[in-house]
Amino acid sequence: AQSVTQLDSQVPVFEEAPVELRCNYSSSVSVYLFWYVQYPNQGLQLLLKYLSGSTLVKSINGFEAEFNKSQTSFHLRKPSVHISDTAEYFCAVSPNTGGFKTIFGAGTRLFVKA
Amino acid sequence: SAVISQKPSRDICQRGTSLTIQCQVDSQVTMMFWYRQQPGQSLTLIATANQGSEATYESGFVIDKFPISRPNLTFSTLTVSNMSPEDSSIYLCSVELAASYEQYFGPGTRLTVT
Repeated sequence: AQSVTQLDSQVPVFEEAPVELRCNYSSSVSVYLFWYVQYPNQGLQLLLKYLSGSTLVKSINGFEAEFNKSQTSFHLRKPSVHISDTAEYFCAVSPNTGGFKTIFGAGTRLFVKA
Repeated sequence: SAVISQKPSRDICQRGTSLTIQCQVDSQVTMMFWYRQQPGQSLTLIATANQGSEATYESGFVIDKFPISRPNLTFSTLTVSNMSPEDSSIYLCSVELAASYEQYFGPGTRLTVT
């Protein structure tokens, strides 16, 4: 079985400041890792994913996440946030052994202040 | 990618009634998922709906309460039966495209039960 822990329920940050949203997971098998974003009153959208290869993955809007197998973490970072980044961010894992079932974390609300 | 629409986008229903939520995808997909997202919380998987077979329900969810139909590869419905205020939530459908390992979500149906 898998589980996902997002260590911060809310992260307030000023515009243009850096931010890190933390995600730890546990699993008895290898997993794929995802970050989804949910803007107000919208459904979830995939932000980035790690399947294999380079442990550092990047999104088109400046976010990046690094898979750390030894620490079972997949923290999300952005060096300079914008007001428009205000949203709920969900970390998720899925076993890579087949039998698809994605487990979502509780979410972190990022609030960017002017 | 996949574009998913849901109807209705929101509804206010009386206790004891039922509501059917529709999910339409712009491409053929094998696996569709129904989630519940209660206010301020993460996503909870209700069931997985594959075309041509009965839906598979997660622990805590039963077919009598949440009957699901999957008549073809682009459409599914979820019915919330005999509603109570505890069923007030956002209901999301999602799909996984073959070999993508990522999910695409509909915009959600916001249900309020009074």
